[in-house]
Amino acid sequence: GAGVSQTPSNKVTEKGKYVELRCDPISGHTALYWYRQSLGQGPEFLIYFQGTGAADDSGLPNDRFFAVRPEGSVSTLKIQRTERGDSAVYLCASSRLAGGGTDTQYFGPGTRLTVL
Amino acid sequence: GNSVTQMEGPVTLSEEAFLTINCTYTATGYPSLFWYVQYPGEGLQLLLKATKADDKGSNKGFEATYRKETTSFHLEKGSVQVSDSAVYFCALSSPGTYKYIFGTGTRLKVLA
Repeated sequence: GAGVSQTPSNKVTEKGKYVELRCDPISGHTALYWYRQSLGQGPEFLIYFQGTGAADDSGLPNDRFFAVRPEGSVSTLKIQRTERGDSAVYLCASSRLAGGGTDTQYFGPGTRLTVL
Repeated sequence: GNSVTQMEGPVTLSEEAFLTINCTYTATGYPSLFWYVQYPGEGLQLLLKATKADDKGSNKGFEATYRKETTSFHLEKGSVQVSDSAVYFCALSSPGTYKYIFGTGTRLKVLA
């Protein structure tokens, strides 16, 4: 079956611009996660959705970052007034269930964001 | 807070050598532990996992045992291949939570 897909695969933008990154999870997966991976680092948690609602957005670095999942499937991560420090690979993951700590998360290929 | 510490890379081995990549963690309770692998140009893939103490996860010749007493989850393989060259990430997920906490990754390079 299809895995997690993310678009675009690469995004180059200028400082101050607005960007949207899209994630299409595995069909039927309830939970969806966004992570950010900087060069040479492990992924860092940004936000988690259970269904349509953001159950935990504690990892979002500031109010320029926002994410939605209006129909409980596709999610969009939105970044306003981009800064050079936002440059990273943004990863999306989904899992069948949520919570409990044992659920396996399946990751997409990521979107590489470069802010010039 | 919860954290994962991995050995620094890169690790360079000859084909058929024995591999160990160390991973230790700090967490309350009994987390689930994971090893993910990232091959060049590809996304993160689950390699193996263990959800309770003394469990052994295994896949593709790789193994890791959940050691509560030493808070460790070291990755091992008896005979590595060139195709194992990748970055390996150790991660944990605490009970009742959902987010993963990752280590910084260890790059493995296997030479023919």
